[in-house]
Amino acid sequence: GAGVSQSPSNKVTEKGKDVELRCDPISGHTALYWYRQSLGQGLEFLIYFQGNSAPDKSGLPSDRFSAERTGGSVSTLTIQRTQQEDSAVYLCASSLDPSRNSPLHFGNGTRLTVT
Amino acid sequence: AQSVSQHNHHVILSEAASLELGCNYSYGGTVNLFWYVQYPGQHLQLLLKYFSGDPLVKGIKGFEAEFIKSKFSFNLRKPSVQWSDTAEYFCAVGGYNKLIFGAGTRLAVHP
Repeated sequence: GAGVSQSPSNKVTEKGKDVELRCDPISGHTALYWYRQSLGQGLEFLIYFQGNSAPDKSGLPSDRFSAERTGGSVSTLTIQRTQQEDSAVYLCASSLDPSRNSPLHFGNGTRLTVT
Repeated sequence: AQSVSQHNHHVILSEAASLELGCNYSYGGTVNLFWYVQYPGQHLQLLLKYFSGDPLVKGIKGFEAEFIKSKFSFNLRKPSVQWSDTAEYFCAVGGYNKLIFGAGTRLAVHP
């Protein structure tokens, strides 16, 4: 079946603008994660959604970052007043049943460039 | 603090050479360990995982990893690499709600 889909694949924006990144998880997957991959660094955890539970936002780097997941499916990551240090690849992943340690399935990511 | 350290950032090998990529972790609680791989132009995918039991785990494409609790290590190995193994490899540790990833190791295999 279809994998995790992210859009856009590339986004170039000016410093100070807001951006929205979209993630369509695999159908039926209850958990959804956002990670950020900066050049030369590992994946940095941002936020985790599981079912109807309150999301784990502990990885969001500042209050300019927010995310929501509507209807337990599609998720949007919003970055307000973008800064150059926000430039990175933003990865979304979903998992069928985290309580059973189901593996994460990653999308291809959105490459964000802030000029 | 929870962290994952991958010792080699870039590795260059010839085909048929043996591979070992180091991974050390610092983590409190039940340790679940993973190796993910990202082939050029593709998304991250699971290579292998360890939750409990036999500390030597086997994954896809002939890869294996050994969990050594006393050394807080989970090194990835392959006896004979192929050109198609050229990719970036990430070690990760954590629970189901959050994985901590290492910085990754870029492997280039020359024919």
